[in-house]
Order: sequence, then structure tokens, then C-alpha cells
Amino acid sequence: DARVTQTPRHKVTEMGQEVTMRCQPILGHNTVFWYRQTMMQGLELLAYFRNRAPLDDSGMPKDRFSAEMPDATLATLKIQPSEPRDSAVYFCASGPLGYTGELFFGEGSRLTVL
Amino acid sequence: SQQGEEDPQALSIQEGENATMNCSYKTSINNLQWYRQNSGRGLVHLILIRSNEREKHSGRLRVTLDTSKKSSSLLITASRAADTASYFCATAQGGSEKLVFGKGTKLTVNP
Repeated sequence: DARVTQTPRHKVTEMGQEVTMRCQPILGHNTVFWYRQTMMQGLELLAYFRNRAPLDDSGMPKDRFSAEMPDATLATLKIQPSEPRDSAVYFCASGPLGYTGELFFGEGSRLTVL
Repeated sequence: SQQGEEDPQALSIQEGENATMNCSYKTSINNLQWYRQNSGRGLVHLILIRSNEREKHSGRLRVTLDTSKKSSSLLITASRAADTASYFCATAQGGSEKLVFGKGTKLTVNP
């Protein structure tokens, strides 16, 4: 049963701490998106990758957020230092080779920054 | 920024009734998609309709697209309690691959 796997599912941390969220896209998928979901803003696109190369990260606060794909099976989203306003659910989604738009989402990482 | 905006924000119906949700968008699109999100879960793709299509069906789902009005509707027929979820439309502007989501319609189907 192919699915996108995200870890951790839940994370509570204190302001100023570094947070790393990980995503394993579906095997063979070469397009990876990171979204953030809050009640106020809804789903915001943070960044996306094709074949491990970042194509767009304009939605990401550059001073504290970074996104990488060290290899085809792992995408990471790092926040350093974290702030309370970063509290949200972070979703990773992947799309297949020849991506035509349909995305497969993970279950999300719920981040709470105190 | 939101490209699609769903209407209504919330909808409550009885089991067996039909549910209709609408989505409006601002710029030209390649396709429009609908996703479902159960509480505490990730989004699940439901259906994709291309800009040159006007209507598409999948099981109890019917999606229409009116590019002249920049709007789409999702109809769920004979709703079930299990259809209770939030429904989102998503679009990619022009030639972009960036999929942008609306804020969703929260559907409650009462048994």
C-alpha cells in the first residue's frame, strides 16, 4: 500500500528550538510539495521539488525555514529557530513521474511551539 | 495566496441528501481538482477535471467546470455519514505546477 510517510506525527517544542520534519515520498514519485495548514490561513504552499531540485520555495520564510531532499526517498523541512507562530500542521505530498497535478498527501506533522 | 475559494464554508445535511459545494478561482487554469480531508488526516485526491472538460463523474461525485465563470462545483449524491469531511478545490495557475488550495467547505452529514 504505497503512501507518503511523515515523521514525527506530533511535536511539541519550546520557542527557539530547532525542529526537523521528515517525509518519505511514494517510491517512484519525483515531485514533492510541502504545505502548512492553519485555521486562519488554510493550506499554504511552502516549497516544492522535482527530481530533488528545489523549484520554488517562495512561500517559505527564508530566515528560519529550509527544505531539502538529501535523496529521492527523503525530504526534510527544518525550522531554526522555531516560534509560536510556526504552530501548524505541516503536510508533505508527492506526485508521480510525469506529474499532471494529482498529489498524494501524508498524514501530516502537527507542530506546537510553546 | 488562495486561488480557489469554496462556498459555503460549512454545510450540514441529512444522510441521503445531496451536497453541493462551489469553488471560484481567479486566473486561467490547466485543471481543477477536488480533495477531501477527514479530521486529523491528510488530504485525499477525489477528482481532477481539465480545463477543456465541462463535467466529470466518479461514483457518487459529479464535478462541473465553467471556465467562463471561473467556477466549479462538486456534487455528492446520496450522502452518507462517512462523507463528513472538509472538501477543498485546488488549482494551478496557467502553466504553473504550483497547486494552490482554497480554504475548504466543511461538510457534516447527520445520520
